[in-house]
Amino acid sequence: QKEVEQDPGPLSVPEGAIVSLNCTYSNSAFQYFMWYRQYSRKGPELLMYTYSSGNKEDGRFTAQVDKSSKYISLFIRDSQPSDSATYLCAMNKDKGAQKLVFGQGTRLTINP
Amino acid sequence: DSGVTQTPKHLITATGQRVTLRCSPRSGDLSVYWYQQSLDQGLQFLIQYYNGEERAKGNILERFSAQQFPDLHSELNLSSLELGDSALYFCASSAAGLLVDGYTFGSGTRLTVV
Repeated sequence: QKEVEQDPGPLSVPEGAIVSLNCTYSNSAFQYFMWYRQYSRKGPELLMYTYSSGNKEDGRFTAQVDKSSKYISLFIRDSQPSDSATYLCAMNKDKGAQKLVFGQGTRLTINP
Repeated sequence: DSGVTQTPKHLITATGQRVTLRCSPRSGDLSVYWYQQSLDQGLQFLIQYYNGEERAKGNILERFSAQQFPDLHSELNLSSLELGDSALYFCASSAAGLLVDGYTFGSGTRLTVV
């Protein structure tokens, strides 16, 4: 069993829709949670970063962490065609940890 | 442009050969991380260097090695290449040895072993 599980999709939604992307994890030691966006033929870029449980909002993006359920989510409001990319969740145990553990990534397409 | 530079962008080589991938971190970043991305395994951590010293090792094969030079650029050496080594190899950097808010990734090197 992988430490981090993420549905690879693909997920296709119309422009303007609210998108929900999710990851589950098995290791309760994870404390730092991130979402990366990866466009085709590019490296992942950091979108959101949260510590422990709770919500964080940045523009059209909201990240939620529920440590009791070992479940994290990324919501995208008013989705745009430019949001079409692969979204990867990532997490690590503490800020001294030296590696991130990534989910498989969800491929998202926003249709105009 | 993320500030992390990887060369070459593409590499095609034969089985059994050896290749070197190069990474220049963002200005001021002391930590360099190498990841392998394949379709079936996703992003897998290989190794980390901090200011010239190996700091952490992940699922890196013995045929692979890396180093970080005094100017902080890093090289990943892959030898006795097999078909299964075909993947995207990413380098990332962060400011310090503490992973506070994630990495900055380069655009990757796409390695094809034929």
